[in-house]
Amino acid sequence: DTEVTQTPKHLVMGMTNKKSLKCEQHMGHRAMYWYKQKAKKPPELMFVYSYEKLSINESVPSRFSPECPNSSLLNLHLHALQPEDSALYLCASSPDALGNTIYFGEGSWLTVV
Amino acid sequence: AQSVTQPDIHITVSEGASLELRCNYSYGATPYLFWYVQSPGQGLQLLLKYFSGDTLVQGIKGFEAEFKRSQSSFNLRKPSVHWSDAAEYFCAVSNRDDKIIFGKGTRLHILP
Repeated sequence: DTEVTQTPKHLVMGMTNKKSLKCEQHMGHRAMYWYKQKAKKPPELMFVYSYEKLSINESVPSRFSPECPNSSLLNLHLHALQPEDSALYLCASSPDALGNTIYFGEGSWLTVV
Repeated sequence: AQSVTQPDIHITVSEGASLELRCNYSYGATPYLFWYVQSPGQGLQLLLKYFSGDTLVQGIKGFEAEFKRSQSSFNLRKPSVHWSDAAEYFCAVSNRDDKIIFGKGTRLHILP
């Protein structure tokens, strides 16, 4: 079972809204990731959590706020986003951080209006 | 600096024909190599990976890839493509202590 579950699948939000993207995995993986993917581009790493601690932040604007409540859950809190933040947001996990095989969820399509 | 190059942005093949997608990497250490596939509107699915050992690796959906250290390549192959193989394919590289780096992707189109 290599399943990473993301909700919601689609989200439309205004620039003044606060919303959250959620991700869950039950594979016992100890690393979880958020990626952003624009159309026709590869995924871009945003954050890495390793053993529930933030280990990598790729200079992501503070309007994106990650949270890892436990080893199975990963959230991405969104506030005051811009239209250019519209993208596919992919959650992923791996047995441990860096170098290991990464398994992706189906993604959450975000549209900022 | 580490990098991954997928020279072909688009590839078109006829259904039933063979396929080879190219991937070249530049990496100082022994690389871990991956191929992922992304169907429209979906996440990335792992097709296969190479960490060590046999340089010809088998993956899901009838795909295979061969690691050639002398050519710094990890090309993906399939003997006979199906219409459902139409998708974006990403080659990726990492090692034990570094984050994964993706190529820009190759879009595969299948002619009926």
